[in-house]
Amino acid sequence: AQTVTQSQPEMSVQEAETVTLSCTYDTSENNYYLFWYKQPPSRQMILVIRQEAYKQQNATENRFSVNFQKAAKSFSLKISDSQLGDTAMYFCAFRRLAGNTPLVFGKGTRLSVIA
Amino acid sequence: ETGVTQTPRHLVMGMTNKKSLKCEQHLGHNAMYWYKQSAKKPLELMFVYNFKEQTENNSVPSRFSPECPNSSHLFLHLHTLQPEDSALYLCASSQGGDYNSPLHFGNGTRLTVT
Repeated sequence: AQTVTQSQPEMSVQEAETVTLSCTYDTSENNYYLFWYKQPPSRQMILVIRQEAYKQQNATENRFSVNFQKAAKSFSLKISDSQLGDTAMYFCAFRRLAGNTPLVFGKGTRLSVIA
Repeated sequence: ETGVTQTPRHLVMGMTNKKSLKCEQHLGHNAMYWYKQSAKKPLELMFVYNFKEQTENNSVPSRFSPECPNSSHLFLHLHTLQPEDSALYLCASSQGGDYNSPLHFGNGTRLTVT
C-alpha cells in the first residue's frame, strides 16, 4: 500500500520569503501522479500543483514549484515570495496510474505566513 | 462558486439522530468521493462512486450509508453515530478515467456528534 509522509506538522515563514515543505512517499509503482493541495480556513481543498512521475522536469505554477526526486521518493513544495494568503494547511497526495484509484494523502503541514 | 457544493456547512447531532449530508457538483464530472478529515490524521477515503456505481467502500461502518442518485449528486446518510465520528466530511469529484484529473473539493460539513 502507498503511504505519504509529511514530517513537518507546522511551519512559519516571513512574508516575501521562501519556504519549502517536505513530502516523501512509499510505492512500488513506476508511474504515478503527485499533488500538493492547499486547505485555507475556508476549508476547501484547492489543487496547487501536480507532477507526473514520468516527467523529469519539475512542475512550476507561478510562485509554487516542486523538487521531485523520484529515486529518493521525495516531492517537496517550494513557495517563493510568500504571501499572507498562503497561510493554510498543505497536503501532499499520491495517485497510482491504474484505474480510477483515489488519492492517498499525507497528514498535512500547517503553514503560517507572518507579516 | 466552488463547483462542488456541500450542505449543511455545520451539523450537530445526537447519537440517536438520523441526518444526511448532501453534495452537488456542477463540473460535469462522473466520479464522486466522500472523505473524512480528522485532526492530525491523513484524509481518509470513505466511498467512491463512478458513473453512479459504488466502486470503493473503504471499510466504513454501516452507520454511514452513501447514496448516489446521479453523477451530480452524492449523499451520506448518518444514523446512530458515535462521538468519534465527529470530523470534517469532504466531498470531491473528478473526471473518472482521466488519471491526471485532479479532485475538486467542496467546503465540507463540520459534524459534531454529542
